[in-house]
Formats: sequence, C-alpha cells, structure tokens
Amino acid sequence: GAVVSQHPSRVICKSGTSVKIECRSLDFQATTMFWYRQFPKQSLMLMATSNEGSKATYEQGVEKDKFLINHASLTLSTLTVTSAHPEDSSFYICSARDPTGAGAGANVLTFGAGSRLTVL
Amino acid sequence: AQSVTQLGSHVSVSEGALVLLRCNYSSSVPPYLFWYVQYPNQGLQLLLKYTSAATLVKGINGFEAEFKKSETSFHLTKPSAHMSDAAEYFCAVSATVGDKIIFGKGTRLHILP
Repeated sequence: GAVVSQHPSRVICKSGTSVKIECRSLDFQATTMFWYRQFPKQSLMLMATSNEGSKATYEQGVEKDKFLINHASLTLSTLTVTSAHPEDSSFYICSARDPTGAGAGANVLTFGAGSRLTVL
Repeated sequence: AQSVTQLGSHVSVSEGALVLLRCNYSSSVPPYLFWYVQYPNQGLQLLLKYTSAATLVKGINGFEAEFKKSETSFHLTKPSAHMSDAAEYFCAVSATVGDKIIFGKGTRLHILP
C-alpha cells in the first residue's frame, strides 16, 4: 500500500532558528499533500494544502511566512518553521493521497508518522 | 462546510465489552466519512471509510461503523474490546474525493482489565 515518510521524527531546536520537515510519498506520486498540526491531547488541525508546482493553500489563521511549504516534486513536500518559538512546539503530521487510487483506495489519505518539534 | 462532532473525549470499557464511539457529522453535500486510530506518538491509521456505498462499513481489527443519514451519525463499534484497542480515535469528514479531511476532536478509548 501507499507509504508516506516523514523526516525527522523528532527535532529540538533553539528559539529563533528555522526547522525543515520533509514529507515523502515513497511508492506513489502525490500532486497534493496536506500538513496538519496536533497539540498534546488534541485533534489534528489542518494547516495547509500543498500543491505540486504551485503555491500552498493555507487555512485561516495560519501564518504563511511562518510556515513555509514547498512542494517541488511529485514525491516531496517540505514544511519549514521559520524563526521558531516555544509556542511552535507541536506534532506535525503530513498526509498524501494517491491520485490513482480507486475503489478502496479512493479518497484515502495516507499519513506520515509525524514529526515532533520542540523549541527551547 | 463540513464538520464532525465526537461525543465523549474519553470512553472506558472493560476488556471483552462492546465498544461504541460516537460521531455526528455536518455536511452540505453527501459526505465521505472516516475513522482513524492513533497510537501514542504515532501517525494515523485508517480504520474504515464510508464513500456512499454500503451503509454498514467493516474495517480493520474488528471495527465497523454504520452511516445513518437520518441521524447524521457514523458511530464506530466493536463487539469485544481488546487491550490493544486502547488508543485515540478520530472521526473525519471530507466533501469530495481528494478534498481536505476535517477531523473531530478525538475520543481516547481506555480498556479496563
């Protein structure tokens, strides 16, 4: 089945630095990927929709300049948290849909294992 | 716009007992509905999905859910709980194929020995 890989799984950084998280579709091409953020013991909040070859679509309230998304190829989307601060500490999860999925595979998002960011 | 409401942030059942996790949806179009499970510090795993075919959907690990349009519900059940079922469960909805998926707030399932 479809596999989505996220890297790194954990990252600790100092306040003010930038952190890049990668999301890769390993055995399929994904024209669209989604980035979610999850605070401890809370639900997943959609941050943005990453579109290959074009600008990401951000949800209301998400700072575009803070969370830079680049979807440069059909198998890779990156999320860069710029000038990170402690309040950016969270669990970031990406997901991708196999556009060729049909039947049981249609409209099924495959999720990465997540990246836990801790900003000191 | 689509949304889901999960009733009960925590549910406790005894091992071997029936599991019932409640989800109600709101959608302006016929919805696609999903249940995902999340184990601690892990990503999400799809349990099952409803895509306008059979209203009773069977998923993995013995779970199933029934789509009831009249009640706008998509409750998740399992006849007999197992200790390994302890996890966070999320109900989710999307409007169309490939559309973004919106998650409920989640229900943490506790299994009592």
